[in-house]
Amino acid sequence: KAGVTQTPRYLIKTRGQQVTLSCSPISGHRSVSWYQQTPGQGLQFLFEYFSETQRNKGNFPGRFSGRQFSNSRSEMNVSTLELGDSALYLCASSRTDGGDGYTFGSGTRLTVV
Amino acid sequence: GDSVTQMEGPVTLSEEAFLTINCTYTATGYPSLFWYVQYPGEGLQLLLKATKADDKGSNKGFEATYRKETTSFHLEKGSVQVSDSAVYFCALSNPHSGSARQLTFGSGTQLTVLP
Repeated sequence: KAGVTQTPRYLIKTRGQQVTLSCSPISGHRSVSWYQQTPGQGLQFLFEYFSETQRNKGNFPGRFSGRQFSNSRSEMNVSTLELGDSALYLCASSRTDGGDGYTFGSGTRLTVV
Repeated sequence: GDSVTQMEGPVTLSEEAFLTINCTYTATGYPSLFWYVQYPGEGLQLLLKATKADDKGSNKGFEATYRKETTSFHLEKGSVQVSDSAVYFCALSNPHSGSARQLTFGSGTQLTVLP
């Protein structure tokens, strides 16, 4: 079966711009989570959605937002990009609450210049 | 809050050597514990998991046992291969705390296996 699909794989944006990343979960998975991975901070949780509702949110500024659609696909948006937002953004899906683990996509590499 | 402390790397081993990567955690209640592996340029792959005390997770020759008394989940493999070279992350998910429905990760351990 198809895995978690993230698009695009790579992005280069200019400071001050905004960006939208997309994630298609595994079929039947209703929970979608987003993580930021950087060399300095490691893997940090951004937010989690289930049935179009945000259930959990990490400690990130309001410039980071997300949403989930009725088909469980999710997008995350970062507005007013800063150089420090350069990172690998990972999406993960699970059937319900992730107790059995999450399946991750290959990520979107965002570079802010 | 919940946290995961992982053995600092990098770790360099010769092929067929024994591998141990230490992982300890701090959490209330009984979290689920995971090991994920990340190969260069890729996302994370679930390697193994354990959801209750004394459970042993295993996959591809890797093993880890959920030790409640020592709050540990150390990763072991009896004979590593060059293809095991990757970054390994220990993680937990805790339905009993504010970190429910999210993974809390350790800092990762870079493993390099030399032929």
